[in-house]
Amino acid sequence: AQSVTQLGSHVSVSEGALVLLRCNYSSSVPPYLFWYVQYPNQGLQLLLKYTSAATLVKGINGFEAEFKKSETSFHLTKPSAHMSDAAEYFCAVRVPSGYGGSQGNLIFGKGTKLSVKP
Amino acid sequence: KAGVTQTPRYLIKTRGQQVTLSCSPISGHRSVSWYQQTPGQGLQFLFEYFSETQRNKGNFPGRFSGRQFSNSRSEMNVSTLELGDSALYLCASSLAGGQGQPQHFGDGTRLSIL
Repeated sequence: AQSVTQLGSHVSVSEGALVLLRCNYSSSVPPYLFWYVQYPNQGLQLLLKYTSAATLVKGINGFEAEFKKSETSFHLTKPSAHMSDAAEYFCAVRVPSGYGGSQGNLIFGKGTKLSVKP
Repeated sequence: KAGVTQTPRYLIKTRGQQVTLSCSPISGHRSVSWYQQTPGQGLQFLFEYFSETQRNKGNFPGRFSGRQFSNSRSEMNVSTLELGDSALYLCASSLAGGQGQPQHFGDGTRLSIL
């Protein structure tokens, strides 16, 4: 069965500092991986996705993530935090349909709330 | 291009009632999924519809049901509401086919049970 673990339910950084949000996954087959962001009273917005192409994936708003198969990790980073980055971030995994997965079924981590201090 | 639209945004119901939530996917998207988000359980998959057929189902009781129409719009119904059904219900749509197509989410319907 697939699962996602996000280390740290709360992360606080200073404005301009590096953002690092950790995600480890468990999957018996090569997965698709996603990062989403959720602002208060809103739905989830896709930041980036990994679909077995390049292992370093660049997303929106300056975020990027690196897929490391040996570590089963897909950590999200941003070189310099901005106040507007304060939100909750979710890592999600999906099994490709060729391995019996469903396109519509994402398995989410518990989320990490990012606070940015001025 | 319009995003995923969910109506209503907020609902207040009492125990025992039933409720219907609506979701209009992005134009051209044929897969619609529903998720429940609560502080305790996080984001949990309810079910997925594709071409008016339920393609996948999560681990929720039969009180939770859904359907999809020929225009890909979807509805979710919860009967005999319980206090624990209070949650944000999110709908997501994606293109049919194509490996790795991401899901795009609406802003959700916040359901409160009194």
